[in-house]
Amino acid sequence: EVKLEESGGGLVQPGGSMKLSCVASGFTFNKYGMNWVRQSPEKGLEWVAEIRLKSNNYAIHSAESVKGRFTISRDDSKSSVYLQMNNLRAEDTGIYYCTPTATGGFGYWGRGTLVTVSA
Amino acid sequence: ENVLTQSPAFMSASLGEKVTMSCRASSSVNYMSWYQQKSDASPKLWIYYTSNLAPGVPTRFSGSGSGNSYSLTISSMEGEDAATYYCQQFTSSPWTFGGGTKLEIK
Repeated sequence: EVKLEESGGGLVQPGGSMKLSCVASGFTFNKYGMNWVRQSPEKGLEWVAEIRLKSNNYAIHSAESVKGRFTISRDDSKSSVYLQMNNLRAEDTGIYYCTPTATGGFGYWGRGTLVTVSA
Repeated sequence: ENVLTQSPAFMSASLGEKVTMSCRASSSVNYMSWYQQKSDASPKLWIYYTSNLAPGVPTRFSGSGSGNSYSLTISSMEGEDAATYYCQQFTSSPWTFGGGTKLEIK
């Protein structure tokens, strides 16, 4: 059974930093690109960033709205993906999900972790 | 970025009724994915590569389309189908989602 467990969310002030983690199980982690997707009532579902495989030199691409502020990384030995978020803004508030890049879509989702950016 | 516009944003259907919702892309895409999300739950991949049903998805669901225009159809509405449906494109980065169609029972 595939499991994705996100953690690290919480309340942070504008301009602050936070690091999200996601531990995966039930599939061969190092064979899948990994993504962070967020959801808020205001902006709906929004893809944030992807990190590809070692064979792709762990290539990264990310949404314009987070470039220069968010950094995705992975540790294949721990089946984990991370999202370092700096200079957080109110509009970054939302539920953050990690999900593997699968055939034709994001086939598996965790329960997500809630990030609230507020003074 | 490729903007996906879903219509209608909200709809209601009677049990047994045929339901069709639309997703239009600002630039042509090679295929479309669809997700179902119910209240307080994570999204689920529902349809991939435009017309392929994800495992466990009832056969009353179907997807079709090409280029800029795609649709999801339910041949006969059932109670468990009440949910919000999102389209998503993987053709060009950034991967984008539509704003969703919320489907309720009439």
